[in-house]
Amino acid sequence: QVQLQESGPGLVKPSQTLSLTCSVSGTSINNDNYYWSWIRQPAGKGLEWIGRLSTSGSTNYNPSLKSRLIISVDTSKNQFSLKLTSVTAADTAVYYCASHPLLQYYFDSWGQGTLVTVSS
Amino acid sequence: EIVMTQSPATLSVSPGERATLSCRASQSVSTNLAWYQLRPGQAPRLLIYGAYTRATGIPARFNGSGSGTEFTLTISSLQSEDFAVYYCQQYNSWYAFGQGTKLEIK
Repeated sequence: QVQLQESGPGLVKPSQTLSLTCSVSGTSINNDNYYWSWIRQPAGKGLEWIGRLSTSGSTNYNPSLKSRLIISVDTSKNQFSLKLTSVTAADTAVYYCASHPLLQYYFDSWGQGTLVTVSS
Repeated sequence: EIVMTQSPATLSVSPGERATLSCRASQSVSTNLAWYQLRPGQAPRLLIYGAYTRATGIPARFNGSGSGTEFTLTISSLQSEDFAVYYCQQYNSWYAFGQGTKLEIK
């Protein structure tokens, strides 16, 4: 069973870069059979898919965030990361990492989520 | 872009009774529809995929139905641990979630 855990700063200043890491256990992140995603939930709003990474190196991003977003992998640490630049208060949310097997596009593993607040 | 709309936003039901949650897609997603449960401080849990298939370990009181654009999650005989927020997600074309239904104790 894949287990995921988010980590990173809980407070980011406006215009700066939000950086989060997701630690993976229960499988190798090199496992070609998974997609690794970031999802967020702003307060009082629904879930929003941010983007995903495959271990082949390909990434896919939500078009609304694409210009500010980088998702990358560190195979030596069995982690993947999110960097979102030029943040504003609208980026305040609980951020989740999640995964699903290659041919199955619903998320069967999730982290507990981490709250990131954008404020000066 | 497919837009998912859930109703109602909040549903008040007594323990032991049945809850019916709705999810509508702006265009057909076939049966590529999943349901999740979110409880505060916990990892979201996959309940249903393929519109009606229960995920591993999900109790039989959770039932999904529908296809195309109209979907329903029915929870029969509500238990205390079922009071949470529920989201639908289509995966027919990328990923899109609904806005959620909060199931609260009446």
